[in-house]
Amino acid sequence: EDKVVQSPLSLVVHEGDTVTLNCSYEVTNFRSLLWYKQEKKAPTFLFMLTSSGIEKKSGRLSSILDKKELFSILNITATQTGDSAIYLCASFSGGGADGLTFGKGTHLIIQP
Amino acid sequence: NAGVTQTPKFQVLKTGQSMTLQCAQDMNHEYMSWYRQDPGMGLRLIHYSVGAGITDQGEVPNGYNVSRSTTEDFPLRLLSAAPSQTSVYFCASKTGIDGYTFGSGTRLTVV
Repeated sequence: EDKVVQSPLSLVVHEGDTVTLNCSYEVTNFRSLLWYKQEKKAPTFLFMLTSSGIEKKSGRLSSILDKKELFSILNITATQTGDSAIYLCASFSGGGADGLTFGKGTHLIIQP
Repeated sequence: NAGVTQTPKFQVLKTGQSMTLQCAQDMNHEYMSWYRQDPGMGLRLIHYSVGAGITDQGEVPNGYNVSRSTTEDFPLRLLSAAPSQTSVYFCASKTGIDGYTFGSGTRLTVV
């Protein structure tokens, strides 16, 4: 059974701090790993990672994948209150009903 | 191009009632799926469809039915609502390896 584990499950930091969110996976026929940000409504796409060691960046957010150790991290630098959200990690595999297995999410709260 | 549209946004049902959650997409995506999201549980797949006329079960299909008569629409039916079905429901569609697009969700409460 495919499994995606995120840590921590919740995190409270102050504005301006840097945070690192973790995602480990055990997936058959792994193809890619996706990160989503979920505020009050639908998850919105952040990154898709397919290759090890290649960092993807978007503003203050960056992410990297390690296919040998089966994990990914999402970094957010100079956090702002608008970064408060649930961050979801999902693995995409070539098999399985949907191919997309979600972790439980990290609930990030940025305090002013 | 509206993306994925879900209706209603909120719904309260009594135990035993039935209802249909609507999902429509205008991106010509073949693949559509329904998830439910519960606190501390992440998103769990209910049913999915790889194209018109084809549906299959996901991780938590019991108590739900789906059909896919057109590419655009993928309704989710609750046959006899139970309090355990209180959740937030998301419809999603995708094409290719990435590009999952989620609807804005339906918050369902069963009393």
